[in-house]
Amino acid sequence: GAVVSQHPSWVICKSGTSVKIECRSLDFQATTMFWYRQFPKQSLMLMATSNEGSKATYEQGVEKDKFLINHASLTLSTLTVTSAHPEDSSFYICSASNLDRGYEQYFGPGTRLTVT
Amino acid sequence: DAKTTQPPSMDCAEGRAANLPCNHSTISGNEYVYWYRQIHSQGPQYIIHGLKNNETNEMASLIITEDRKSSTLILPHATLRDTAVYYCIVRVVLGTYKYIFGTGTRLKVLA
Repeated sequence: GAVVSQHPSWVICKSGTSVKIECRSLDFQATTMFWYRQFPKQSLMLMATSNEGSKATYEQGVEKDKFLINHASLTLSTLTVTSAHPEDSSFYICSASNLDRGYEQYFGPGTRLTVT
Repeated sequence: DAKTTQPPSMDCAEGRAANLPCNHSTISGNEYVYWYRQIHSQGPQYIIHGLKNNETNEMASLIITEDRKSSTLILPHATLRDTAVYYCIVRVVLGTYKYIFGTGTRLKVLA
């Protein structure tokens, strides 16, 4: 399999501040990256899809001005939660894929965000 | 909406085979079935995938019915470390290849 990392693994921030989460594909070039959110005891919910060099495509109900996604290179995508509130507290997971690997998604370890 | 339905939970005795069912009755001809598992507070781990033939790898076997409306993941000799939430996913093509996660099955392997 391929290796995908996320940084930080956990973060605590105050309400109203912004938080950036990084997702890196370490051993392959990811033309497409995905961002998911997972609340406790629930399944993963797809937030957005980002293709390198293009604007992200957001799923219905996900605020694009609140969850800023940048995919500036084939190995790095970032998710910025702007003006975070306690209800944004969640487990954020990214995945990476490309054509050479049959578009199979390789998942990162996740980032636990707590907004106080 | 998820394209798969799975039982919410299952128990399995250690050393026995764990058979996890999944229904995907609305699957289209070019949509693959993927299985992942998620151990608490970690990212999902790939297990296996298939289109219409049965598949086997070092982790598991995947049995897909001839009409492709359901499948079964088989862990041949479950261990305590196999305790996890198992997700059956249909990979759809909507502009790009997306996974739509269902609710998954929480498998508990009992000593």
